[in-house]
Amino acid sequence: AQKITQTQPGMFVQEKEAVTLDCTYDTSDPSYGLFWYKQPSSGEMIFLIYQGSYDQQNATEGRYSLNFQKARKSANLVISASQLGDSAMYFCAMREGSGAGSYQLTFGKGTKLSVIP
Amino acid sequence: DAGVTQSPTHLIKTRGQQVTLRCSPKSGHDTVSWYQQALGQGPQFIFQYYEEEERQRGNFPDRFSGHQFPNYSSELNVNALLLGDSALYLCASSLAGRLYTGELFFGEGSRLTVL
Repeated sequence: AQKITQTQPGMFVQEKEAVTLDCTYDTSDPSYGLFWYKQPSSGEMIFLIYQGSYDQQNATEGRYSLNFQKARKSANLVISASQLGDSAMYFCAMREGSGAGSYQLTFGKGTKLSVIP
Repeated sequence: DAGVTQSPTHLIKTRGQQVTLRCSPKSGHDTVSWYQQALGQGPQFIFQYYEEEERQRGNFPDRFSGHQFPNYSSELNVNALLLGDSALYLCASSLAGRLYTGELFFGEGSRLTVL
């Protein structure tokens, strides 16, 4: 089974509107972390936001918020007030466990977001 | 403050050849991870280096090897190149003390094409 599933290959959003990018995950480990990264055409992966499995509140970072629904194993990214510069690939990723052997991130296949003027 | 730098940015090799990719981590970072990103896919973890040792390895064959130097910079070596090794190779640095909650800082990658 896929550990990270992003079901939207591509999304369009009007400038200044909000958009939600979906991510579901699969793990049996009670300790895990969820990350969202943005990858512009330059190739560099840019960290956006992090949510720990034990965090009680949804994470927020500026215009980015993470809608964390633990029982449904979903970690959707919400971008408010979209800007043209938000056009990029967006990847959801997970780190499972804590301690030795839990250093890798597992990424989904990504969602291509296009912001329309 | 320089971020993660990788070299070369692009390179072309033929099957059977060997390649070395280089990475300088963000200033102050002591941990380097390497990821392979095939076209249209998310990055896949190759391995991570800390204190000049391979700390964790993903599901990659022994043809993939690495090294970390005392200044924390790192190399990724791939021997006996296959067509399927064509990909963007991303280096990411982090602080060992913030691995679980802290973000990885990525470079722009080295795009390898194997003919």
